[in-house]
Amino acid sequence: GAGVSQSPSNKVTEKGKDVELRCDPISGHTALYWYRQSLGQGLEFLIYFQGNSAPDKSGLPSDRFSAERTGGSVSTLTIQRTQQEDSAVYLCASSLAASSETQYFGPGTRLLVL
Amino acid sequence: TQLLEQSPQFLSIQEGENLTVYCNSSSVFSSLQWYRQEPGEGPVLLVTVVTGGEVKKLKRLTFQFGDARKDSSLHITAAQPGDTGLYLCAGGPGSNYKLTFGKGTLLTVNP
Repeated sequence: GAGVSQSPSNKVTEKGKDVELRCDPISGHTALYWYRQSLGQGLEFLIYFQGNSAPDKSGLPSDRFSAERTGGSVSTLTIQRTQQEDSAVYLCASSLAASSETQYFGPGTRLLVL
Repeated sequence: TQLLEQSPQFLSIQEGENLTVYCNSSSVFSSLQWYRQEPGEGPVLLVTVVTGGEVKKLKRLTFQFGDARKDSSLHITAAQPGDTGLYLCAGGPGSNYKLTFGKGTLLTVNP
């Protein structure tokens, strides 16, 4: 079956521009997670969705970051007024439920802010 | 804040050698997972250990969860070039749904 997909796979943008990153989870997975992976760092939790709601947004690094999920499926992570320190790989994962031990990751979006 | 420390950060060995990487924390985790990530890809789950003292084997890979559920190790026997990648450990999620990741061990196995 299809895994988690993310688009675009790569994004180069100029400082100050807004970007949207998309995640298509595995069909039937109710929980969806966004992580950020910076060079030399581990995965940093950003936000998680159970259905369409995000019970905890505390991992978002600033108010320039926002995310939404519609129809309990596709999610979009938006970064406004991008900064160079936003450059990283943004990974999306999904799981059957929030309590599930196994999260399945997408290939990520590599964001470079010039 | 729960933290996971992985060591070594980098490891370069020859094909056929054995190796062990470590994942340590001062916190107790409900489960400990090991992932392997290859360039340009997302992490892929290798194993989940949930019971203190648990040992799981996956072909040439042996995973152990510490008795106190604070640490774990991954041992690879007779490493092959195909084992090359970034090995990440992650704790949780437990009741707070978050996975806490270590920074990873970058393994290179030279032919």
